[in-house]
Amino acid sequence: EDQVTQSPEALRLQEGESSSLNCSYTVSGLRGLFWYRQDPGKGPEFLFTLYSAGEEKEKERLKATLTKKESFLHITAPKPEDSATYLCAVGNGGATNKLIFGTGTLLAVQP
Amino acid sequence: SAVISQKPSRDICQRGTSLTIQCQVDSQVTMMFWYRQQPGQSLTLIATANQGSEATYESGFVIDKFPISRPNLTFSTLTVSNMSPEDSSIYLCSVGGLGQPQHFGDGTRLSIL
Repeated sequence: EDQVTQSPEALRLQEGESSSLNCSYTVSGLRGLFWYRQDPGKGPEFLFTLYSAGEEKEKERLKATLTKKESFLHITAPKPEDSATYLCAVGNGGATNKLIFGTGTLLAVQP
Repeated sequence: SAVISQKPSRDICQRGTSLTIQCQVDSQVTMMFWYRQQPGQSLTLIATANQGSEATYESGFVIDKFPISRPNLTFSTLTVSNMSPEDSSIYLCSVGGLGQPQHFGDGTRLSIL
């Protein structure tokens, strides 16, 4: 069964304190691993797509990496505006573009 | 990326009634998706709606409860029928091609009394 598990459920950081979020997955035929950011009252906002093990993507203070079993979202020197829920999803190898989501990591960055 | 608008943004409904949620995209897209996000849970795909064909429902979701229309390449509706408190949730539409990231609207926050 396709499954995505994110950890930790919640993370509290001080401004400037770097850390990583984890996304472990099992899927039959990976068709992309996707990271999203979701702010309260908003829909998920796309951040990154990773397609193969060893791939890395960066955007400002965020860097996503991928192995055959998990992905990490590294946050370097976070700021309060990075506070949000970060969601991980995988696309399975079916005929549709179905995404299987994890439950997310709620990140709070305190000034 | 596509701009996706959902209406209504929120609603409070009585048990036993039905509500239709609209999703408008600013460009033509083939694949549209409807998700449910229950409190403390992950987004769960309800169905895939492709223009010109019947919607494809995921396990646990049925057409009688969640009828979907897809009249053209920029618009879709999801109806939540005969609502009960268990249907209180956020309903989101998204668009995206095979193997490509999906882009989401801001969702409809639905509460059932």
